[in-house]
Amino acid sequence: QKEVEQDPGPLSVPEGAIVSLNCTYSNSAFQYFMWYRQYSRKGPELLMYTYSSGNKEDGRFTAQVDKSSKYISLFIRDSQPSDSATYLCAMSVDNYGQNFVFGPGTRLSVLP
Amino acid sequence: NAGVTQTPKFQVLKTGQSMTLQCAQDMNHEYMSWYRQDPGMGLRLIHYSVGAGITDQGEVPNGYNVSRSTTEDFPLRLLSAAPSQTSVYFCASTTPAVSYEQYFGPGTRLTVT
Repeated sequence: QKEVEQDPGPLSVPEGAIVSLNCTYSNSAFQYFMWYRQYSRKGPELLMYTYSSGNKEDGRFTAQVDKSSKYISLFIRDSQPSDSATYLCAMSVDNYGQNFVFGPGTRLSVLP
Repeated sequence: NAGVTQTPKFQVLKTGQSMTLQCAQDMNHEYMSWYRQDPGMGLRLIHYSVGAGITDQGEVPNGYNVSRSTTEDFPLRLLSAAPSQTSVYFCASTTPAVSYEQYFGPGTRLTVT
């Protein structure tokens, strides 16, 4: 079993839809969680960062962590074609960048 | 600021050849890292550096060497290329205070035949 799992997609949704992207993990010691967005042929860029359980909102994006289920989610409201990208989750026991374990990513396509 | 730059963008090598992937950053970041990205595998850490003259191994270091003689540059050397090293390579940099927030370069697509 991989340490961090994501459905690879592709996930296609119409413009304006609410999108839910998810990751499951096996290491119960993970307590720092991140979501990166990666456009085609580009490097990843940090989208959301959360610590421990709970929700964090930033504009149209909400990150949710459920440590009891070892499950994290990223919700995108009012999705736009510009949200079409691959979304990578990453998580770590500590806060050091080099210790984060990345999921394989989910490819999202938002259709106009 | 150019951020993190990587050269070349694309490279094709024959098995056994060696080459150096270049990475430079102009943000005065102490920490720099090299990752490879393969389909279905996520980003995997190859080597990282917490400052000039200091490097350490990541998850998949075999077949790669690094050095850090300046804060700005962090080259990755492939000693004897193998088809298993066909991948997209990303360099990243960050500061110790917020080391989770890594800034990635645009990547180098390497094919080894």
